[in-house]
Formats: sequence, C-alpha cells, structure tokens
Amino acid sequence: GAGVSQSPSNKVTEKGKDVELRCDPISGHTALYWYRQRLGQGLEFLIYFQGNSAPDKSGLPSDRFSAERTGESVSTLTIQRTQQEDSAVYLCASSLVPRGGNQPQHFGDGTRLSIL
Amino acid sequence: AQTVTQSQPEMSVQEAETVTLSCTYDTSESDYYLFWYKQPPSRQMILVIRQEAYKQQNATENRFSVNFQKAAKSFSLKISDSQLGDAAMYFCAYRTPSNNQGGKLIFGQGTELSVKP
Repeated sequence: GAGVSQSPSNKVTEKGKDVELRCDPISGHTALYWYRQRLGQGLEFLIYFQGNSAPDKSGLPSDRFSAERTGESVSTLTIQRTQQEDSAVYLCASSLVPRGGNQPQHFGDGTRLSIL
Repeated sequence: AQTVTQSQPEMSVQEAETVTLSCTYDTSESDYYLFWYKQPPSRQMILVIRQEAYKQQNATENRFSVNFQKAAKSFSLKISDSQLGDAAMYFCAYRTPSNNQGGKLIFGQGTELSVKP
C-alpha cells in the first residue's frame, strides 16, 4: 500500500485479556517504530526494529508488552493480561534506513485500544 | 535523557492571522534533528517541517517556518496566514542521530491549535 497500515482501527477488550496489534509498514522501509499515545498526551516510544538487528526494547513499559517483526515486513505488538492503564492509541511508524536521522518517519492511523 | 517541552496546551488564532507555537528541549548532544508534526482528529501524524541542528538557517515550508535557537534549545513554529484546515494538535519532536537509539522520536505534550473564522 501507499502508507503505513494498522489494524484493527479500534479494539475494545476486557481487562485481563491478551491483544495483538498489527502494523504493515511502507514497502522498502527497513526501520519500524511503535509508539503509545495516552489521551491528551504526546507519543511515547515503545520499541524499534531495524532490519535483522536486535530490536531496541528500551521503551516497553512492562514485561506484558512484546513485539515481533518478520524480516522487514509486518510487525505485531502484543499486550498480555491487559490493564485499564493500557488504554491508549498505539501508533506505528516506518522509515527508510535512518542514516544520520534525516529520514522522516511515516505514521499509520493508529489502533485505539480501550480496556473495560 | 532528552526531553521536549511544549508550554502551551492550547492556542487560538484568527483565520488569516499568524500564530507561533513554542517548544524547548533539553539535550547534551550536538547533532540531532527537530520536527513539528500535526495531528488532526483523524489521528494520523503529518510531518509539517524539520530542522537539522547543524544548519543555522531556519527551515521553511510554504506558510510554516521555524525559529531555531540552538544555544537556547528553542524550536518554535510560526504559521502564517492561518487557515481553518490548520486546526489540529501540534507536536514538537526531537530525534537522536540514527547511530544512537535508532533515531527514535521524543515528543512534547502537544499544543491544540484552534482557528477562528
């Protein structure tokens, strides 16, 4: 597709359930980022994938959060045993190889996660 | 650790007027990038403008320009001839060089801009 695609657009689930969020980056973009945006706040970095390198997981808030990426394509963010504090919009972004940091990140429309 | 601060939670501007959104940041690095993103209610983050820290010249993109003061660690966004479509949440973001933490973005809290007709 032309842009970063995320699914589902909205997800409502009960506390304690596991959820899986999907991100399909722009074709050819080797870098992929996940961010979390709580209501009325800025984006918080969660995790970063670059090619076949080990991911940078420094932003994951707890061990209930994990993410995978298959090669340079789709990524899934999994939240286990969801809590109400996990309610937020989860945004994915991708970019070309970020040499020098000049490559802009292109964002998807996000998944709005609501925990009841 | 780097931080980004936007001290104006809300701003309002009359259509066709000019408005300036403030942003300050804290870093010990000398080489980095700064961005302004726009987020309308659709949630999509749209890149408005970017600035390389090593460039002294302020970036401009049509009606959008920045005032980059490296010594003061200030990066304000000026929107000229404001249009109704400019109404959105605006985020200032700092990006580390790619060889340090993969170039992740650090965002401010955002400024909600409303445009009055």
